[in-house]
Amino acid sequence: GQQVMQIPQYQHVQEGEDFTTYCNSSTTLSNIQWYKQRPGGHPVFLIQLVKSGEVKKQKRLTFQFGEAKKNSSLHITATQTTDVGTYFCAGPQGGSEKLVFGKGTKLTVNP
Amino acid sequence: KAGVTQTPRYLIKTRGQQVTLSCSPISGHRSVSWYQQTPGQGLQFLFEYFSETQRNKGNFPGRFSGRQFSNSRSEMNVSTLELGDSALYLCASSLRTSGGPWTGELFFGEGSRLTVL
Repeated sequence: GQQVMQIPQYQHVQEGEDFTTYCNSSTTLSNIQWYKQRPGGHPVFLIQLVKSGEVKKQKRLTFQFGEAKKNSSLHITATQTTDVGTYFCAGPQGGSEKLVFGKGTKLTVNP
Repeated sequence: KAGVTQTPRYLIKTRGQQVTLSCSPISGHRSVSWYQQTPGQGLQFLFEYFSETQRNKGNFPGRFSGRQFSNSRSEMNVSTLELGDSALYLCASSLRTSGGPWTGELFFGEGSRLTVL
């Protein structure tokens, strides 16, 4: 079945440290999206990547889409307490019309 | 512009009962998707509706059903509730119109948290 694997499942960092979460698909993705869900909140769209090898930045967040369009990463530089939450990747695996979500990486930041 | 509105926000039911959840999408959005979120399984796709038609369906039993009205508002129903149905049910709308591989942002509501006792 369609799977979007995300690692690590949990990540605990000290404020100021960097953080990276990785997303891997068993099939090629036409695009990949990233969402953030704050504790007690709902997922909020961060970005969509479409092109092979694409890199996009949003302030301290850097998003990459792999050359083979099967993997992606989200890197946060110098984490802040406001970065806490669960980060999800999502993609339409195998050309599917369904957006399949990874299980997410829960980030906690120690001040 | 108002966001996606889901009601009720919280509800408690007992096994065997049924429940109906409501979702009002962002004005102008005709695509409405439903997801079930649990700690163990993450976000799992239930179904997507567009122009009152179910366009896609996830791997859930027939106890889970939904519909969409002409004003794009959507409801989902779960019949014969089981303990394992306890979850956060998220509705999301999008500007997506055409078929084909999913693309475009999902706008999620706050969710309806269902507890089955």
